[in-house]
Amino acid sequence: DTAVSQTPKYLVTQMGNDKSIKCEQNLGHDTMYWYKQDSKKFLKIMFSYNNKELIINETVPNRFSPKSPDKAHLNLHINSLELGDSAVYFCASSPLTTGPREKLFFGSGTQLSVL
Amino acid sequence: SQKIEQNSEALNIQEGKTATLTCNYTNYSPAYLQWYRQDPGRGPVFLLLIRENEKEKRKERLKVTFDTTLKQSLFHITASQPADSATYLCALEGNTGFQKLVFGTGTRLLVSP
Repeated sequence: DTAVSQTPKYLVTQMGNDKSIKCEQNLGHDTMYWYKQDSKKFLKIMFSYNNKELIINETVPNRFSPKSPDKAHLNLHINSLELGDSAVYFCASSPLTTGPREKLFFGSGTQLSVL
Repeated sequence: SQKIEQNSEALNIQEGKTATLTCNYTNYSPAYLQWYRQDPGRGPVFLLLIRENEKEKRKERLKVTFDTTLKQSLFHITASQPADSATYLCALEGNTGFQKLVFGTGTRLLVSP
């Protein structure tokens, strides 16, 4: 059973299009994230949701809109795609704690290529 | 400015040797630090977490040290194997009010038979 699953694995699209990436976790975690990994392999947080509520928005362009219909799902919709959006997008989840953040569980990534 | 730095060059070692990877940070005061492994085409996988009051943590062939004075963590793999070849990322909690993990750029380890 896949703990954090995201679809699609690969996404190739033209500039200006709108696309969505879906993420689901079956771990019962309260917190979910989107990270972006660029061509230099730098992994940067984009958003964090805690039980459907947006907690972190790391100055991401408003063309990116996360949506969490329930605490097991966090989808990412991207409008008007640009060349610079090409990257690997990772979904992750972690249990909610009041102390230091526990480990993250990552999905296998969605490779987005904007042509 | 805040930085988390890992060797950008790949580390090549022979099977059986100990691999040592470095993570240095600037302008952070992390309560803990984590290490992840990432294989090509896969998401990072958690390996170890070490807290600021712990000098050393071990798990099987893995050992992590955490020196808050030097602002450095070392990650060791003893008796390395070709299957240990991967990119290793360190991560620590940012200084914002809500916990979030900030990752280093990762070091690629290549273990030759």
